[in-house]
Amino acid sequence: QVQLVQSGAEVKKPGASVRVSCQASGYTFSGSFIHWVRQAPGQGLEWMGWIIPYSGATNYAQKFKGSVSMTRDTSISTAYMELTSLRSDDTATYYCARESVYDGTNFDFWGQGTLVTVSS
Amino acid sequence: QSALTQPPSASGSPGQSVTISCTGTSSDIGNYNSVSWYQQHPGKAPKLIIYEVTKRPSGVPDRFSGSKSGNTASLTVSGLQGDDEAYYHCSSYAGSQNVVFGGGTKLTVL
Repeated sequence: QVQLVQSGAEVKKPGASVRVSCQASGYTFSGSFIHWVRQAPGQGLEWMGWIIPYSGATNYAQKFKGSVSMTRDTSISTAYMELTSLRSDDTATYYCARESVYDGTNFDFWGQGTLVTVSS
Repeated sequence: QSALTQPPSASGSPGQSVTISCTGTSSDIGNYNSVSWYQQHPGKAPKLIIYEVTKRPSGVPDRFSGSKSGNTASLTVSGLQGDDEAYYHCSSYAGSQNVVFGGGTKLTVL
């Protein structure tokens, strides 16, 4: 069965960086886009961007250009999201999600989420 | 890219129907049939329940249905059940390989 397993919670100071991992299993990792979505406490979902595991190509939401980097290691079926220059309003749960096999842009499997807390 | 607009809350009694709206612009919902809806229970990851405006993934009950008119998409939950109490998020393709979400709606089953 398809699974996306993310790394554990992180606590960071303002100005630091954080890297979250997302290990895929149960399907061909290279065959589907991986998207990253975050959710601040009590708030809605916010799309951050995607990576194509096959090629490493990326596309970031305008808001995150310059502060986010998405990479992957196909040898271990893992995608990474690194966010730099952290601020308190980056405190959120970060999810990776697989772009589905269905028509359109939607996400059929999600990781369990990684809580990133930014606090001095 | 601005977030899609959803009402913060909605409610209904067991067995009733409730509709949640999701309003965008001509650059997203109005221009593409790539609207999706996700159900999220507290502390859990979102679950895809509607894609391409009206389609349901395998295993999603037909009590969940979607529609679109102009720049507004809607999710209708019929025959409300207790487990339907959750947050519901809409999303749309927004062009240039971008995606936009709504702010989420908390559905309460009275």
